[in-house]
Amino acid sequence: EAGVAQSPRYKIIEKRQSVAFWCNPISGHATLYWYQQILGQGPKLLIQFQNNGVVDDSQLPKDRFSAERLKGVDSTLKIQPAKLEDSAVYLCASSLDEGNGYTFGSGTRLTVV
Amino acid sequence: AQKVTQAQTEISVVEKEDVTLDCVYETRDTTYYLFWYKQPPSGELVFLIRRNSFDEQNEISGRYSWNFQKSTSSFNFTITASQVVDSAVYFCALSEALFSGGYNKLIFGAGTRLAVHP
Repeated sequence: EAGVAQSPRYKIIEKRQSVAFWCNPISGHATLYWYQQILGQGPKLLIQFQNNGVVDDSQLPKDRFSAERLKGVDSTLKIQPAKLEDSAVYLCASSLDEGNGYTFGSGTRLTVV
Repeated sequence: AQKVTQAQTEISVVEKEDVTLDCVYETRDTTYYLFWYKQPPSGELVFLIRRNSFDEQNEISGRYSWNFQKSTSSFNFTITASQVVDSAVYFCALSEALFSGGYNKLIFGAGTRLAVHP
């Protein structure tokens, strides 16, 4: 079974620029999550999708962050404009309704300079 | 509110020592899941174990074992005869169950960095 695919693996941008991350979950996984992991901290949920609907985006800074999962499969997370404090690893995960838990992608390491 | 506390920020041991990583959680839910993940220097999160709130049996998997105690809201992780390859950051996480089945968001602890020296 293929894992959760994320791209790019690394990204360096200047503050106030925009950036987008892509995630392709495991086939058949209805639930998709985006987490932000700041250096030295545990991951924190940004947004959770069930198929193409949003379940929880309470922690998403909606003035600059947006995410979509139009066909209920892959997803894109966008930051516009980026701030220095957005430097983090952005992790995508997916899960089945029943199963052994989440599967995480390798993440995208964003550095904002 | 849900919360996970990993009080140990960093632990340093010598190879072959046993080491226990502590995890204390808070939740008002009666049905929930507890997880442990390993994050090696390469950065990916590696799933180690999931336990639901109705299963308090301890589990052993090779050199790894887990002790779940609802009475103290703890889910501790022990590595027996540690090895250098065990060096990583370990995260404990909590998730409530969804009505439709499956998992809600994971609430992570801050992580414990384990360094195993030769």
